[in-house]
Amino acid sequence: KAGVTQTPRYLIKTRGQQVTLSCSPISGHRSVSWYQQTPGQGLQFLFEYFSETQRNKGNFPGRFSGRQFSNSRSEMNVSTLELGDSALYLCASSWADHNEQFFGPGTRLTVL
Amino acid sequence: DAKTTQPNSMESNEEEPVHLPCNHSTISGTDYIHWYRQLPSQGPEYVIHGLTSNVNNRMASLAIAEDRKSSTLILHRATLRDAAVYYCILRKENNDMRFGAGTRLTVKP
Repeated sequence: KAGVTQTPRYLIKTRGQQVTLSCSPISGHRSVSWYQQTPGQGLQFLFEYFSETQRNKGNFPGRFSGRQFSNSRSEMNVSTLELGDSALYLCASSWADHNEQFFGPGTRLTVL
Repeated sequence: DAKTTQPNSMESNEEEPVHLPCNHSTISGTDYIHWYRQLPSQGPEYVIHGLTSNVNNRMASLAIAEDRKSSTLILHRATLRDAAVYYCILRKENNDMRFGAGTRLTVKP
């Protein structure tokens, strides 16, 4: 069974641009969560989607958005990039509530 | 928000047991206690989870206090490959899961 995949793995953008990151969950998993990891703030929860609906949202500005498709694949978008958005963005999927989450390798975003 | 408190770092000797504590005094009745670990340059990896009773799996054991205000992750024989940051997380009924700072475990040969 393939694991969680994230594309692209690395990305370099400049301030003011926007970026879209993609996550393909493990087959059969309906919940997809997104996290931002930085050395200073650690792992911070962005949002969680289940059956195309956003169920939970962390404390991030509206520049961070996401969506989930009918096949459970998910995308997150960051508009008007800032230097502080440089981070490792992790996606995780799970089969059902309270089950373990399986994390992808992450997308390393660098904003110059 | 229910939060967890863990020591910043711990050290262990190889092949000895390791007890990683976690305090979660504001836990609610429906919160599950999850543990994840993150090895260098990798995404977090599930370790174990429980609700009220102690749990065992091939990786570790989870001991949950009777009042559920604390828990302990037990690695029975630490190996060098167990060196990682260990996160204790309360997973809420709506699937909300928030990571804290975690405990950095160093395993000495």
